[in-house]
Amino acid sequence: GAVVSQHPSWVICKSGTSVKIECRSLDFQATTMFWYRQFPKQSLMLMATSNEGSKATYEQGVEKDKFLINHASLTLSTLTVTSAHPEDSSFYICSASGFSRDYEQYFGPGTRLTVT
Amino acid sequence: AQTVTQSQPEMSVQEAETVTLSCTYDTSESDYYLFWYKQPPSRQMILVIRQEAYKQQNATENRFSVNFQKAAKSFSLKISDSQLGDAAMYFCAYRSEVSGTYKYIFGTGTRLKVLA
Repeated sequence: GAVVSQHPSWVICKSGTSVKIECRSLDFQATTMFWYRQFPKQSLMLMATSNEGSKATYEQGVEKDKFLINHASLTLSTLTVTSAHPEDSSFYICSASGFSRDYEQYFGPGTRLTVT
Repeated sequence: AQTVTQSQPEMSVQEAETVTLSCTYDTSESDYYLFWYKQPPSRQMILVIRQEAYKQQNATENRFSVNFQKAAKSFSLKISDSQLGDAAMYFCAYRSEVSGTYKYIFGTGTRLKVLA
């Protein structure tokens, strides 16, 4: 299967600071990337969908000014959590899909964010 | 709006036995895809199997097969000859196309325990 990486895998930040999470498709061009949030022992909640070169589409209830998503290239999307608070602590997962992979969704390994 | 329901929070199966995980969904669309994903303790999401709604034949991948009942909107996963490595969270997912972009909706998951 295709390879999608996320960096960092684990990050601790102080309340009020911002943190950026990178998602890269390593062996295919990802025209669409998805960002999910997963609380402990719960399902994946879609936060936003980003198409390369376009503004991200956010799901209802997700603050676009707090969770900034950029998809500037066909291999990289970033999620920036601005002015993070302890309630933003969670597991964030990205996935990527593209034409060459039949629009199958390939997941990154996830990033655990802890805000103190 | 589409919904995906997994009514079994947890299932157990004896090693080498067969287990079936249930999934139902609600949609008004006629063309869509359904997926089963596995999330082991590493939390890396792995595609297990997928089904295209327009195909009547049930998808099969080695020990994994589905029972797709389109009229009943049911999509169950059967795991044959269960192995210890099958222990994981299993998520059923629905994919629809919205304005040229694919969107995935996940069920709440079923935790599968495999007993030695």
